[in-house]
Amino acid sequence: AQRVTQPEKLLSVFKGAPVELKCNYSYSGSPELFWYVQYSRQRLQLLLRHISRESIKGFTADLNKGETSFHLKKPFAQEEDSAMYYCALFSGGYNKLIFGAGTRLAVHP
Amino acid sequence: DTEVTQTPKHLVMGMTNKKSLKCEQHMGHRAMYWYKQKAKKPPELMFVYSYEKLSINESVPSRFSPECPNSSLLNLHLHALQPEDSALYLCASAKSGEETQYFGPGTRLLVL
Repeated sequence: AQRVTQPEKLLSVFKGAPVELKCNYSYSGSPELFWYVQYSRQRLQLLLRHISRESIKGFTADLNKGETSFHLKKPFAQEEDSAMYYCALFSGGYNKLIFGAGTRLAVHP
Repeated sequence: DTEVTQTPKHLVMGMTNKKSLKCEQHMGHRAMYWYKQKAKKPPELMFVYSYEKLSINESVPSRFSPECPNSSLLNLHLHALQPEDSALYLCASAKSGEETQYFGPGTRLLVL
């Protein structure tokens, strides 16, 4: 079965602390993975795509095929990082994005 | 123009009304999507259009009827909705299926 698992509903950290939002996937082929972010009252927007290997807003994510993971990391969280984060897998077989349940990141001052 | 736009922003309708949601993009994208998003949940795919043809219908009730009049426009016609259909309806577009999807701001629908 093709599935994306984000085990944490809520991740609460203090400003300046490191952040890791977990994402595990189940997919038989070569995965196309994305992180989308939804800030309060804003549209869902792409944060990272694994093939681009970019660092956006200080966030990075590395695909680990052995552990079937695509965790999102940032060394020093900022209050403006508070948002809902969704990991998503593109299923070529079904031609659609499969979203994880999402993790709400709350960064406290 | 690098955004997906959606109108209206908000919509309140009764269960006997007929209304339509509109989505537009001018990025030359050939894949367009309708999603439904309930509060604190991920988007749920409803329909996919590829090159203006319906390619995926995720077993959506017939009271939702999509339409793609041209490559830039996507409509969602609503009729006889139920209160449980109240949600944020998102439109998205992509160059093609496996490419990054760009989302609109959504239409917040309330069915009374």
